[in-house]
Amino acid sequence: ELKVEQNPLFLSMQEGKNYTIYCNYSTTSDRLYWYRQDPGKSLESLFVLLSNGAVKQEGRLMASLDTKARLSTLHITAAVHDLSATYFCAVDRGDDQFYFGTGTSLTVIP
Amino acid sequence: SAVISQKPSRDICQRGTSLTIQCQVDSQVTMMFWYRQQPGQSLTLIATANQGSEATYESGFVIDKFPISRPNLTFSTLTVSNMSPEDSSIYLCSVELASPLNEQFFGPGTRLTVL
Repeated sequence: ELKVEQNPLFLSMQEGKNYTIYCNYSTTSDRLYWYRQDPGKSLESLFVLLSNGAVKQEGRLMASLDTKARLSTLHITAAVHDLSATYFCAVDRGDDQFYFGTGTSLTVIP
Repeated sequence: SAVISQKPSRDICQRGTSLTIQCQVDSQVTMMFWYRQQPGQSLTLIATANQGSEATYESGFVIDKFPISRPNLTFSTLTVSNMSPEDSSIYLCSVELASPLNEQFFGPGTRLTVL
């Protein structure tokens, strides 16, 4: 069974600081997705990573994919309060079905 | 992207009853998915619903408990049958838009509480 693990599960960080969320998965996949979920809301697509070495950036967030290490990272630069949310990675297991990671709940403290 | 709506947005139901959740998308899509998200947890795929074929269920989910319909390319329903408190969750539908990104977009979710 495919396992997708994120760490940390909970992250509290001060505004202006940098941090990285890690997403490890247990099987071969070339497709990885990052989503954001605000409390009581649905999921918002952030990044689509389709190949080894892919790097995408949007504002203060940057995502990368290393398919050989089965690892994706979501790097937060100079965090602001608006980034407080839960972040999920999701791995396409090869048949367009997604396995979601455990989620990382991020709180940015002023 | 796609605009996806779900009905109802929330419901409180009695044990032993059934609830049908509707998912409508504003464009024709081949693949639709149903997920469950228990409180404070991640998302678990229930089934894949492709138009013109039977839904494909993931391990741990069965058609008798979660029957799915997919009558056309813009609509699907998920029924939660013979409910128990353990079925209290958020149920989300998603759609996959065309390749190459195979990106999934999610509906707003249905928050179900079973008493």
